[in-house]
Amino acid sequence: SAVISQKPSRDICQRGTSLTIQCQVDSQVTMMFWYRQQPGQSLTLIATANQGSEATYESGFVIDKFPISRPNLTFSTLTVSNMSPEDSSIYLCSVTGTGYLEQYFGPGTRLTVT
Amino acid sequence: AQSVTQPDIHITVSEGASLELRCNYSYGATPYLFWYVQSPGQGLQLLLKYFSGDTLVQGIKGFEAEFKRSQSSFNLRKPSVHWSDAAEYFCAVGVFSGGYNKLIFGAGTRLAVHP
Repeated sequence: SAVISQKPSRDICQRGTSLTIQCQVDSQVTMMFWYRQQPGQSLTLIATANQGSEATYESGFVIDKFPISRPNLTFSTLTVSNMSPEDSSIYLCSVTGTGYLEQYFGPGTRLTVT
Repeated sequence: AQSVTQPDIHITVSEGASLELRCNYSYGATPYLFWYVQSPGQGLQLLLKYFSGDTLVQGIKGFEAEFKRSQSSFNLRKPSVHWSDAAEYFCAVGVFSGGYNKLIFGAGTRLAVHP
């Protein structure tokens, strides 16, 4: 499986600011995904990011709040914009395996908004 | 709509005891099923997966899971739990659409292991 890294691993941010989270993969992948895990909750898919096309957002998530970039086959960023305490979560990126069925996850970025 | 139910929020077992974590899914087609584990402060690690074929699948760390279509279940088992198995376990169903598999996760089961 691919090795996935995320930066930063954690951050504490002021409300009203924005944070960009980076996801780097050690091999080329077609599909990348961004998830949110709110405190004590399960994972919710934010969007799917394909290289060379606009990200596809799930219901309840909008591009203005969570803009995503996918400049190449090994890298993606998720920005959490105009943050509020409700945005305090772990944000995880994932990539598909070779069969496009299973997903492998990065270590996550723990965000706290004060 | 597709969904995954993990009925047990918390489970506590003694080290060396057997373990079974329950998972029920709702999906109209043949499901792709997964179990992931999340240790404290870590990302998710894939334990095992079921796509087709043998309904008893083996995974890493001594875990196995059995797919039962009649019960819409995919329960995770381990014959002897180790203290290092304390973690949160997530069951997920894959919904294949548009050329990729979108994962829908259950709420998770937090496992505590007593020495």
